[in-house]
Amino acid sequence: QQPVQSPQAVILREGEDAVINCSSSKALYSVHWYRQKHGEAPVFLMILLKGGEQKGHEKISASFNEKKQQSSLYLTASQLSYSGTYFCGTDASGNTPLVFGKGTRLSVIA
Amino acid sequence: SAVISQKPSRDICQRGTSLTIQCQVDSQVTMMFWYRQQPGQSLTLIATANQGSEATYESGFVIDKFPISRPNLTFSTLTVSNMSPEDSSIYLCSVIPGATEAFFGQGTRLTVV
Repeated sequence: QQPVQSPQAVILREGEDAVINCSSSKALYSVHWYRQKHGEAPVFLMILLKGGEQKGHEKISASFNEKKQQSSLYLTASQLSYSGTYFCGTDASGNTPLVFGKGTRLSVIA
Repeated sequence: SAVISQKPSRDICQRGTSLTIQCQVDSQVTMMFWYRQQPGQSLTLIATANQGSEATYESGFVIDKFPISRPNLTFSTLTVSNMSPEDSSIYLCSVIPGATEAFFGQGTRLTVV
């Protein structure tokens, strides 16, 4: 079942922050986050495993609430290079293909 | 990690014909996944290809239309058969070695005219 992402699109000025949410109706083993730029393949950002953890990568971090089956991606002090479409991908058992949300189109402007 | 070589990168095909897309991985993986991504849309799983067994297709995708081969642990092909303009899309193969991050081929941009 496809996870639900919100918002669908967001426009930021450089230096602003954003939060992208991903929720599932079923129990999850892990949540992945990817960024895709136009004409390119998705690029891995991070993975969060059940156990309710939070991870960070420079100014991009994420959390996973296992009880609510929700994950959030936090982008702080956004840069122009952050522009792209962000997808969450969910895995139900650790041995299943990823099911991707519909994506969040992020545009960072100067 | 994994590096995937996918080809062709793009093609323009006549309706009614077939196109075979190839993916070569630089390491052995148990499962390979095939996705379709229509312009501005999400990635939709077509099927999972396992070596030595029939591929597992998702709802809405059938073997006659999208036959898949998986002759060994590093290679897979997806054929788009009897194409129509509705098949115009980007097709991506993907692997998840070690159940960590997913790696993708660069995609095949297919246009059916």
